[in-house]
Amino acid sequence: DTGVSQNPRHKITKRGQNVTFRCDPISEHNRLYWYRQTLGQGPEFLTYFQNEAQLEKSRLLSDRFSAERPKGSFSTLEIQRTEQGDSAMYLCASSSRRDGGMNTEAFFGQGTRLTVV
Amino acid sequence: GENVEQHPSTLSVQEGDSAVIKCTYSDSASNYFPWYKQELGKRPQLIIDIRSNVGEKKDQRIAVTLNKTAKHFSLHITETQPEDSAVYFCAASMLGSARQLTFGSGTQLTVLP
Repeated sequence: DTGVSQNPRHKITKRGQNVTFRCDPISEHNRLYWYRQTLGQGPEFLTYFQNEAQLEKSRLLSDRFSAERPKGSFSTLEIQRTEQGDSAMYLCASSSRRDGGMNTEAFFGQGTRLTVV
Repeated sequence: GENVEQHPSTLSVQEGDSAVIKCTYSDSASNYFPWYKQELGKRPQLIIDIRSNVGEKKDQRIAVTLNKTAKHFSLHITETQPEDSAVYFCAASMLGSARQLTFGSGTQLTVLP
């Protein structure tokens, strides 16, 4: 599968612990996005990278959340001091920038399902 | 910020019938409107998208219409098949692209054989 890859697929953690998720985008894609999806809802935008630069952050991204894309390839999303309300599916997506500035579609990964107990 | 509302939340149709899902958006600056299909436990997948410079786009059994004046857009699936059963999400972006998509709450479509 040469699509967007996310690891782990599932994570169960105790409240107060830190967790880190990884996303490997499609190799030629320079844009990477993190979304969060709770049961019965659509994905909510968290943050966006163009290459290694984090250009946009949603107000949903509290100071307990940090995302990095150190070399402009894979990205990590860390949640510190997890809370039960952090339980959700964390989706990563990537896209590329065409000539003329228009993106291709965003391709989503299968997500990491986080359960905080 | 942008707000996208989607209706209905559930939709059941007989195989072969058509299905229509409607979305409204709040910000007239939005200019990119994709539709995603998400099967249970799987990733959202783009099925069709439309930009604000066109009013309609069709791809085989799937079509999307956009009314910029009324700020609504709709997904039309004709000749539905059981494999069309999934959750469908509409989304909107003001950035002409996949950046900062605002999603609707989804429609669970069930196609009855």
